[in-house]
Amino acid sequence: QKEVEQNSGPLSVPEGAIASLNCTYSDRVSQSFFWYRQYSGKSPELIMSIYSNGDKEDGRFTAQLNKASQYVSLLIRDSQPSDSATYLCAVPSGSARQLTFGSGTQLTVLP
Amino acid sequence: SQTIHQWPATLVQPVGSPLSLECTVEGTSNPNLYWYRQAAGRGLQLLFYSVGIGQISSEVPQNLSASRPQDRQFILSSKKLLLSDSGFYLCAWNPLDRGANYGYTFGSGTRLTVV
Repeated sequence: QKEVEQNSGPLSVPEGAIASLNCTYSDRVSQSFFWYRQYSGKSPELIMSIYSNGDKEDGRFTAQLNKASQYVSLLIRDSQPSDSATYLCAVPSGSARQLTFGSGTQLTVLP
Repeated sequence: SQTIHQWPATLVQPVGSPLSLECTVEGTSNPNLYWYRQAAGRGLQLLFYSVGIGQISSEVPQNLSASRPQDRQFILSSKKLLLSDSGFYLCAWNPLDRGANYGYTFGSGTRLTVV
């Protein structure tokens, strides 16, 4: 059973701070990793993907991958109230690249 | 560009009634298609996936079924709904001909309440 674990949260940070979201996965052969953002009552939206060890930056978002430690994280710099949402980590597996999702971390950015 | 349509947006159904949720994708061919359910305050649970017309794989045994009658159409059904079927149902797709490094795009979801 492939597992994806996320820090349970909820996480609150002040506006302008860095929010750090963490995820660990059990399948050592996983090659790609995805972060989704889900606003309350809405469907998940893909915000970051990462395939190689190290950091990947996209605007205020940075994904960090360490395959040896089976650990992937998402940093949100200069957090804004509009970043308040649940963040889901996902790992693909299987012939149809089915995604296994973590349970999500709820982030609240306080004005 | 590719778009995914899912309907209805909300649905209230009595216990024991049938269910049919539809999902269609535009602007692509041969997509992988997926049905997920998200119970209130819970994570995303994969229900079914399909790699082609008539090809359905089930992840969780339950009273739901899925069908793919056309390349870009994916239907989730039930003959008799249970209270435990309540949740947020999400359809998603990704391209069949891309590598593993391609995430899903989700539809807008159907919020089902069984009463």
